Amino acid sequence: GDSVTQTEGLVTLTEGLPVMLNCTYQTIYSNPFLFWYVQHLNESPRLLLKSFTDNKRTEHQGFHATLHKSSSSFHLQKSSAQLSDSALYYCALSPQGGRALIFGTGTTVSVSP
Amino acid sequence: EAAVTQSPRSKVAVTGGKVTLSCHQTNNHDYMYWYRQDTGHGLRLIHYSYVADSTEKGDIPDGYKASRPSQENFSLILELASLSQTAVYFCASRDNYAEQFFGPGTRLTVL
Repeated sequence: GDSVTQTEGLVTLTEGLPVMLNCTYQTIYSNPFLFWYVQHLNESPRLLLKSFTDNKRTEHQGFHATLHKSSSSFHLQKSSAQLSDSALYYCALSPQGGRALIFGTGTTVSVSP
Repeated sequence: EAAVTQSPRSKVAVTGGKVTLSCHQTNNHDYMYWYRQDTGHGLRLIHYSYVADSTEKGDIPDGYKASRPSQENFSLILELASLSQTAVYFCASRDNYAEQFFGPGTRLTVL
């Protein structure tokens, strides 16, 4: 079945260093939609990035990701982490833009001074 | 401004009692969802609906019912609340590009 894998449960880093969160997915459909949602403490998840175009970089608020269908990946990156980036990040899959989102288990990012 | 709202924002219930969580959206979206969030499990889909008066089971529907009386409203019902249903519950609606918009969440504690 369809699934999303986020390998890191917790990422801790120092302000100013680069961030990379891994996301891989499985689906039988050839045109999946991929998303990154961010959830700050005591808030609800909100969309950070989305893509359904192969090999096209998408950017928002300093973060970027590229959907690679050849490797079924949609990794999230930022060149320089800020304290305000401390949050829970979910990668999510919508197979063929259909029924519902399938979420990964999430990666907690903790940025320290 | 279009939004998804939930009520109550927090709830303490007794084991075996009935709990109803309500969700209202002004996004004019057809799809609505109920998720629960638990540490270590991420967001898991309980029920969803794509039209009024119809609901579908998600990945973890056991112990939950749902009701969609109108496009704007979607309720989650726990007929016999149990300790294991202590969690944060999120409602969401979805646009035509599969982006979901989440409500503020309801923190449910079952004692």
